[in-house]
Amino acid sequence: GQQLNQSPQSMFIQEGEDVSMNCTSSSIFNTWLWYKQDPGEGPVLLIALYKAGELTSNGRLTAQFGITRKDSFLNISASIPSDVGIYFCAGQLGGGSEKLVFGKGTKLTVNP
Amino acid sequence: DAMVIQNPRYQVTQFGKPVTLSCSQTLNHNVMYWYQQKSSQAPKLLFHYYDKDFNNEADTPDNFQSRRPNTSFCFLDIRSPGLGDAAMYLCATSRDWRDTQYFGPGTRLTVL
Repeated sequence: GQQLNQSPQSMFIQEGEDVSMNCTSSSIFNTWLWYKQDPGEGPVLLIALYKAGELTSNGRLTAQFGITRKDSFLNISASIPSDVGIYFCAGQLGGGSEKLVFGKGTKLTVNP
Repeated sequence: DAMVIQNPRYQVTQFGKPVTLSCSQTLNHNVMYWYQQKSSQAPKLLFHYYDKDFNNEADTPDNFQSRRPNTSFCFLDIRSPGLGDAAMYLCATSRDWRDTQYFGPGTRLTVL
């Protein structure tokens, strides 16, 4: 089946640092989504990307839909302790296959 | 205001004892999904409803069933839970099959 390669698997950073994570695939996706999941909670949508090359911000978060449609990145600027959690990328292939394909997640730890 | 509601948040059942998990939504979305998420893994789609049309993933065990009596509610029935069914169960909704999915907070199932 389709796979998304998400990296890094985990990150340990100091409060105030910037963070970058990305997802790549050998397949072309029509939509890229970034979710954050806190322990014991469901994933919360952070940013949705619908067009190749699209760059979208949500507060301190910025995400881009790669121009090849095979990758996406998420940046978090000036991290704070509440940024702790697991970040998942997810893509939709389109063309009749709209099931979400998830990356394996990036676990972020922020040291105060 | 909560848009995708899952009850209960925590469910404990005994091996082999049927259990039902509930999901409701106030978004009037056409599509409702059930995912299973095990520790440190990405969510795995079990099935979805597009309105009243039920779509089962090929690898979803027969032990898992679902009902959608109306637009707002969807239930996950586990007929004979095994120890391997202990997981977080996530409900999600989207306006259409191609649209962004919004997740509920999840139900953590423990099987004793």
